[in-house]
Amino acid sequence: DTGVSQDPRHKITKRGQNVTFRCDPISEHNRLYWYRQTLGQGPEFLTYFQNEAQLEKSRLLSDRFSAERPKGSFSTLEIQRTEQGDSAMYLCASSPQGALDTEAFFGQGTRLTVV
Amino acid sequence: DAKTTQPTSMDCAEGRAANLPCNHSTISGNEYVYWYRQIHSQGPQYIIHGLKNNETNEMASLIITEDRKSSTLILPHATLRDTAVYYCIVRVSNDYKLSFGAGTTVTVRA
Repeated sequence: DTGVSQDPRHKITKRGQNVTFRCDPISEHNRLYWYRQTLGQGPEFLTYFQNEAQLEKSRLLSDRFSAERPKGSFSTLEIQRTEQGDSAMYLCASSPQGALDTEAFFGQGTRLTVV
Repeated sequence: DAKTTQPTSMDCAEGRAANLPCNHSTISGNEYVYWYRQIHSQGPQYIIHGLKNNETNEMASLIITEDRKSSTLILPHATLRDTAVYYCIVRVSNDYKLSFGAGTTVTVRA
């Protein structure tokens, strides 16, 4: 399967701990996105990379959140000092270079539970 | 600040066509209509998109009204596996973000 891969699928952590999620996009896709989804809501945009450059960060991405895509391939999303409000599904998506009206391919997400 | 309005939920019978409406009365001339769906515990999946002409692919058909203020996604022969949340999204062609609303929860019943 050459789709978008996210790891781990589930993470339970204690409040105050740091967590890191990984996303492996489809190999030829240079655009990568992170979204967050809480129960009963649609996904909300967090941040966007074109190759290794982080071109946009949502106001939802507080100072405790950081995302990287060091070599323009995989990406990581780290949350420091987790809070219960961070509990959500974190989704990664990628799309190919070229016209912007192309589809985005989503991974299955990482479900974070902060206890 | 929602750009689209969709019914919260709808049921349809297996094997029948499912018609999912979406209102986007403030759509601009350079905004596309996209449809994604999200099956439980999975990431969203692209279905189809269009600007002003009707579109059809192997998954669905998209009918956009002439004034572009509304559209309908048609699943021609719904199956149980089509049970999902369906999102109608209006997106400017040069905007890489997708702005999801709450979508329509579609339940296909045997």
